[in-house]
Amino acid sequence: GQQVMQIPQYQHVQEGEDFTTYCNSSTTLSNIQWYKQRPGGHPVFLIQLVKSGEVKKQKRLTFQFGEAKKNSSLHITATQTTDVGTYFCAGQGGATNKLIFGTGTLLAVQP
Amino acid sequence: NAGVTQTPKFRVLKTGQSMTLLCAQDMNHEYMYWYRQDPGMGLRLIHYSVGEGTTAKGEVPDGYNVSRLKKQNFLLGLESAAPSQTSVYFCASSYSPWGNSYEQYFGPGTRLTVT
Repeated sequence: GQQVMQIPQYQHVQEGEDFTTYCNSSTTLSNIQWYKQRPGGHPVFLIQLVKSGEVKKQKRLTFQFGEAKKNSSLHITATQTTDVGTYFCAGQGGATNKLIFGTGTLLAVQP
Repeated sequence: NAGVTQTPKFRVLKTGQSMTLLCAQDMNHEYMYWYRQDPGMGLRLIHYSVGEGTTAKGEVPDGYNVSRLKKQNFLLGLESAAPSQTSVYFCASSYSPWGNSYEQYFGPGTRLTVT
């Protein structure tokens, strides 16, 4: 079945450093969503990408959707302690057309 | 608006016991979902509903049942709990299915431990 993998599983950075998480799907996606989950909290929607090669920005966060629509990335510039949490991608596509969540990347930021 | 609420927040069950998790949303969303979250596994879809009176299986439906008798409520049942069902359970809802330009709104979660 469709799988969505994320790397790395865990990243520890110093405050002010950049951070990137990568999402790879085994099948072509129609769209991809990104969510953030603070420690002890629930996932909160960040953004959705639909078009091949699409790039969207939210302040210090940059989201990209690959040309082949099988991968995506989230880049955070100059991390802050408020960025701490787990970032999930979720891709829709494949035979079932369901939204499949990635395994997540836990970001720790040291002040 | 309360958004998506879940009860209970925590529960400890013994193997073989049954329980029902309740999810309620006040956003008039058609679509509702139940996920489980385990370390290193991300969120896995258990069951979902595309409208009142309808339910469908997700990725990991075994050992669970669901009901959607009212549009605003989605119940998840465990008939005979097993230690493998120890997890954090999240309910979510959306206006439109999956990624059709509408995000999923998640509840605060229920932490279930089966001993």
